Amino acid sequence: RKEVEQDPGPFNVPEGATVAFNCTYSNSASQSFFWYRQDCRKEPKLLMSVYSSGNEDGRFTAQLNRASQYISLLIRDSKLSDSATYLCVVNHGPGSYIPTFGRGTSLIVHP
Amino acid sequence: DVKVTQSSRYLVKRTGEKVFLECVQDMDHENMFWYRQDPGLGLRLIYFSYDVKMKEKGDIPEGYSVSREKKERFSLILESASTNQTSMYLCASTTGGQPQHFGDGTRLSIL
Repeated sequence: RKEVEQDPGPFNVPEGATVAFNCTYSNSASQSFFWYRQDCRKEPKLLMSVYSSGNEDGRFTAQLNRASQYISLLIRDSKLSDSATYLCVVNHGPGSYIPTFGRGTSLIVHP
Repeated sequence: DVKVTQSSRYLVKRTGEKVFLECVQDMDHENMFWYRQDPGLGLRLIYFSYDVKMKEKGDIPEGYSVSREKKERFSLILESASTNQTSMYLCASTTGGQPQHFGDGTRLSIL
């Protein structure tokens, strides 16, 4: 069952680059969407929610495309500290207690 | 800020032992989850609970059980630990369609 799919990467980019990740989901009834960041050997932490109109938080922009059933995360001006795994998470809506996690996309930012 | 606390960061046990992993959250969340995470496999749901004394099997419940006697506490039990249960265990909690909050994780080694 591959309800949420991400390119595992790794994406290897220089500092200052712009990088984008996509995540596709299969359940058209999905209602809420999130990006998490996970550092090596640490727990996932919420990076940002994804809203229908798109949203931005500093260097990070999240977009939702319901018609094509994907969400995206854009990181501008990459920093070394952005190196991590980025997890896409989808909630399927009322009555569903279980969010579905993608397996994550690995980002390596090098000097 | 939501706080999810797992009882141990690192734990070493022997094959055949009964192992208890504890998780406590302080935000009165209805839903609590136990995952394990292994390299290349992403987060896999073991059990979840949507209310006190309620529990549901996740994707990989074999060899595990859970207990939720109080709303804030969700325990994972390895009935008879085996080496293939060596992993990172993550507890999470949430309410409604909100994003999950994770504990720091427990790195469990079974020798």
